[in-house]
Amino acid sequence: DIVMTQYPDSLAVSLGERATINCKSSRSILYSSNNKNYLAWYQQKPGQPPKLLIYWASTRESGVPDRFTGSGSGTDFTLTISSLQTEDVAVYYCQQYYATLSWTFGQGTKVEIK
Amino acid sequence: QVQLVQSGAEVKEPGASVKVSCRTSGYTFTGHYIHWVRQAPGQGLECMGRINPSGGGADYAPKFQGRVTMTSDTSISTVYMELSSLRSDDTAIFYCARQAMVGTYFDYWGQGTLVTVSS
Repeated sequence: DIVMTQYPDSLAVSLGERATINCKSSRSILYSSNNKNYLAWYQQKPGQPPKLLIYWASTRESGVPDRFTGSGSGTDFTLTISSLQTEDVAVYYCQQYYATLSWTFGQGTKVEIK
Repeated sequence: QVQLVQSGAEVKEPGASVKVSCRTSGYTFTGHYIHWVRQAPGQGLECMGRINPSGGGADYAPKFQGRVTMTSDTSISTVYMELSSLRSDDTAIFYCARQAMVGTYFDYWGQGTLVTVSS
């Protein structure tokens, strides 16, 4: 399996400040034939299912605020929240979908208000 | 609007089986795979497998192979996940999730079903 490792496990950021979450895959999830990174990001608030934020590493899902930005390629990826809002308090997960029949998530990063 | 609505919470004894349903609406049922994802209390997300509602073929993660069965009923746009030989460490929230059209990421999720395994 491709192992997805997120860091940090948790972070506390002041309102309006930038939050940066990292995700590293154990091998490249860049498919050379289409130059796409097979990575998605999700947000999960307490008591709710995950919500899709980003796919193909950097494509924002419809309706997701533009303060959420995905970047990176190959094995190293980042989710940035440019100006943290109270409603952004959640756990964030990355997920690789490169390996057919073996899709895996990172362990999650908890974002709180400082 | 796309909706995935799951059945209610279950309490089962060790060794029993549980069957969770996921009723879909708002899109062409046979046009998207449905996946099942497990989340143990306070833990992360784990893919269990997926079913193709068009034809009913299913693929299971090796960890669950032999214990999980996924089925679909196109007449009511519903998929099912049955997990057998339950153990206490199967206590978790089980989510159904719709696979997106162009990649194996999940664009819509059910609300989750808590399964508690306890004697």
